[in-house]
Amino acid sequence: NAGVMQNPRHLVRRRGQEARLRCSPMKGHSHVYWYRQLPEEGLKFMVYLQKENIIDESGMPKERFSAEFPKEGPSILRIQQVVRGDSAAYFCASSPPWSTGELFFGEGSRLTVL
Amino acid sequence: KQEVTQIPAALSVPEGENLVLNCSFTDSAIYNLQWFRQDPGKGLTSLLLIQSSQREQTSGRLNASLDKSSGRSTLYIAASQPGDSATYLCAVKRTWGSGYALNFGKGTSLLVTP
Repeated sequence: NAGVMQNPRHLVRRRGQEARLRCSPMKGHSHVYWYRQLPEEGLKFMVYLQKENIIDESGMPKERFSAEFPKEGPSILRIQQVVRGDSAAYFCASSPPWSTGELFFGEGSRLTVL
Repeated sequence: KQEVTQIPAALSVPEGENLVLNCSFTDSAIYNLQWFRQDPGKGLTSLLLIQSSQREQTSGRLNASLDKSSGRSTLYIAASQPGDSATYLCAVKRTWGSGYALNFGKGTSLLVTP
């Protein structure tokens, strides 16, 4: 059973470009979470999604950031018009619907904005 | 707002020593607490999950305790090994109605020297 798969593992963008980060949850998991880890900071919750629904986006910046988890395919975190402050590691986690609350994390996508 | 603090921020011990990592949280109304390990440039590996009704969990050389009333958890590592060197993260799940968003501490960076 493959774990949570994230790609790309590393992404370099210039200011103003768009970044798309993908996450495939573990098999059987229908809940996906995105977290951001800034340098020297702890992980911060961004958004929680179920298939085709955003359940909680209270941690998402109000502008330029969006997330989706379509019926088919991976979850995508999209950052438009990236700025240097967006440089961070973005982690995806998943859990099954019957979960005890335990989250399983991917290896992360490391975004560098030049 | 839930604040999670981990002390110490960094720790260096000789191989074979027993050690304790500390985690404190400000709001005792938690659903569960999870300890993770993060290796440099890698994702998070779940170590132990303690539900709010539990006092401790054990896995191999690891033992985690939870005292909800005082807002504290400890991770005890017995007979430490160089392979235990990593950053250890504590995360608390809130008890609000839906979702599994976790509040993370900034971690304790552990170095076990041969």
